[in-house]
Amino acid sequence: AQSVTQPDIHITVSEGASLELRCNYSYGATPYLFWYVQSPGQGLQLLLKYFSGDTLVQGIKGFEAEFKRSQSSFNLRKPSVHWSDAAEYFCAVEGGSTLGRLYFGRGTQLTVWP
Amino acid sequence: DTAVSQTPKYLVTQMGNDKSIKCEQNLGHDTMYWYKQDSKKFLKIMFSYNNKELIINETVPNRFSPKSPDKAHLNLHINSLELGDSAVYFCASSYRTTNTEAFFGQGTRLTVV
Repeated sequence: AQSVTQPDIHITVSEGASLELRCNYSYGATPYLFWYVQSPGQGLQLLLKYFSGDTLVQGIKGFEAEFKRSQSSFNLRKPSVHWSDAAEYFCAVEGGSTLGRLYFGRGTQLTVWP
Repeated sequence: DTAVSQTPKYLVTQMGNDKSIKCEQNLGHDTMYWYKQDSKKFLKIMFSYNNKELIINETVPNRFSPKSPDKAHLNLHINSLELGDSAVYFCASSYRTTNTEAFFGQGTRLTVV
């Protein structure tokens, strides 16, 4: 069965520092992978997605993620974090017999110190 | 224009009541979803409709009944609300094809007291 693991429940970084949020997935076939961000009281906004091709994908707000099939990982990175990046980040995989169905990780809460 | 809109944004109600949450999308998508986010922020799919046809029906109490009058609308009706139904409910939409992404609404925070 499909599943997503985000090992870090909460991460704290200083503004300007680099960031890496971890995501591991379990899926038998080639996965479609996503990172979403949820700001307090807001809906989910898509940061980036991986369907195929180049394993390093660029997203909005300066984020990027790298798909590593050998490690079943899709880690999210940002070279320099801004205070406005403080939010909840969700990794998701689409898979199974029904197109469009997303399986989410439990999220990583990012706190940014000024 | 808001792509996926849900109403209401907040809903506080007493146990035993019946309530509905409405969702509309103006993206021309053919598939809509309801996800539930629990108190620990875990998101799990509840239902999905494709062109008004139910295609995903997770293990959800039958007090929850989705209805899709057309492919741009998906409503969620909940009967006999219980304390455990308190959560944030997200509507989403997408095309039912590969290489697509889902767009989410802002969520409806339901509090049952």
